[in-house]
Amino acid sequence: EVQLVESGGGLVQPGGSLRLSCAASGFPFGNYWMTWVRQAPGKGLEWVANIKQDGIQKFYVDSVRGRFTISRDNAKNSLYLQMNSLRAEDTAVYFCARVGVNYYYDSSGYYINHWGQGTRVAVAS
Amino acid sequence: DIQLTQSPSSLSASVGDRVTITCQASQEIRNYLNWYRQRPGKAPEILISDASNLETEFPSRFSGGGSGTHFTFTISGLQPEDFATYYCQHYDNVRLWTFGQGTKVEV
Repeated sequence: EVQLVESGGGLVQPGGSLRLSCAASGFPFGNYWMTWVRQAPGKGLEWVANIKQDGIQKFYVDSVRGRFTISRDNAKNSLYLQMNSLRAEDTAVYFCARVGVNYYYDSSGYYINHWGQGTRVAVAS
Repeated sequence: DIQLTQSPSSLSASVGDRVTITCQASQEIRNYLNWYRQRPGKAPEILISDASNLETEFPSRFSGGGSGTHFTFTISGLQPEDFATYYCQHYDNVRLWTFGQGTKVEV
């Protein structure tokens, strides 16, 4: 069974830092793109970042680029999100998730097929 | 960047009803669109990928369609567990992903 368990959330002051972790199990972690998605209180979903299997290719939403860093340790089956220069608007539940792929003859389709339960981050003074 | 607009933002329905949600993209996106269900207090679940591919673990009352800029998601015969919020999501390969604002289906 695929399991994704986030940790590391908490209360932090504006301008502070936090590192989220996600422990993966039940699947060959190193074979999958992974992603972070967040959800502010009472709001919708917002994609945050993606990371390739080898940990080299990374993509970010504009609002976090330069402040957040996604990384992974395939030997430890773990995904991370280092969050620096935190702002009040970063307050959210952060979900770790696995990316699924549909392969077609001329393209690939991407979707999120497994989610963790999320970890809460609150940025306030 | 591509924007996704879902309508309606919320709707009231009853068990057994047929419900349709639309997702309008600000630019042509082929069929690069997914649909998720999020029950209260839970993580989202993928229902439909690439506009019309129903995930195998979900029943056929869920369906999706459309291409280009206009997409639909339909529940034919609403069940109690379907009272939830539904999101469409566009993917530009793995470079940039965008969610719609969500549609809350209420009793």
